[in-house]
Amino acid sequence: KQEVTQIPAALSVPEGENLVLNCSFTDSAIYNLQWFRQDPGKGLTSLLLIQSSQREQTSGRLNASLDKSSGRSTLYIAASQPGDSATYLCAGGMIKAAGNKLTFGGGTRVLVKP
Amino acid sequence: GAGVSQSPSNKVTEKGKDVELRCDPISGHTALYWYRQSLGQGLEFLIYFQGNSAPDKSGLPSDRFSAERTGGSVSTLTIQRTQQEDSAVYLCASSVTSGGTGQYFGPGTRLTVT
Repeated sequence: KQEVTQIPAALSVPEGENLVLNCSFTDSAIYNLQWFRQDPGKGLTSLLLIQSSQREQTSGRLNASLDKSSGRSTLYIAASQPGDSATYLCAGGMIKAAGNKLTFGGGTRVLVKP
Repeated sequence: GAGVSQSPSNKVTEKGKDVELRCDPISGHTALYWYRQSLGQGLEFLIYFQGNSAPDKSGLPSDRFSAERTGGSVSTLTIQRTQQEDSAVYLCASSVTSGGTGQYFGPGTRLTVT
C-alpha cells in the first residue's frame, strides 16, 4: 500500500526566500506524482505532474523533481511571494484496475511573510 | 474552458437523512474520481469511473456510500443514512484518460451532518 508523507507540516519564510517542500513515498512503482496547491476553503489547483519516466518538471518559478529510487519528490518555489501562501499537497499515482487513483500526503502549510 | 464543477457547494443535513452530491467533469474527460477530505484522515480516494463503469470502488467506506455516472459525464455520489463521521469535503476530479494524465479537481462540496 502506497504511503505518502510530507514534512514539515507547516513552514514560514520571509518574502523572497526560496521554498523547498519535501514529499516521500513508500512504493517505488509509482506511476506519476502530482503537486497541488490548496487555498483555504477551496479545491485543489494542479501545479506540476511528473511521470515516472521523468526526473523533473518546471513551470515558471516552480520546479519539481522525482527520485523513484529514494522515494522522494521535491517542489522548489523560487523567490517566494506572499501570494504563494497556501497548503501544498503531493500525491502519488498508482495504476490499478486501469485507473490512476492518487494517494495524498498530509500537506505542507506555507506562510510567506511580507 | 470550464473546469470541474460540483454542487451544492455546502450541504447541512440531519443525521439519518440521505444526500446526493453532484459532479460535472471537464468536457471530454473519460476518467472521474471522487475523494474525501476530512480533518482526521486527510485526502482519501473513494471511487473511480472510466466512462460509466466503476472499476475501482475500493475507497468507499461503507455500503451506505454509492455512486453512479451517466452518459460518460455527470456523476452523483449518494450517502444514505448519513452519520456525523461523514462530515467532510467531498472532492471530484477528472482526467483526460485513466492512463496517468493529470487530475483536475472541482471546488468540493462541504457536507456537515448534525
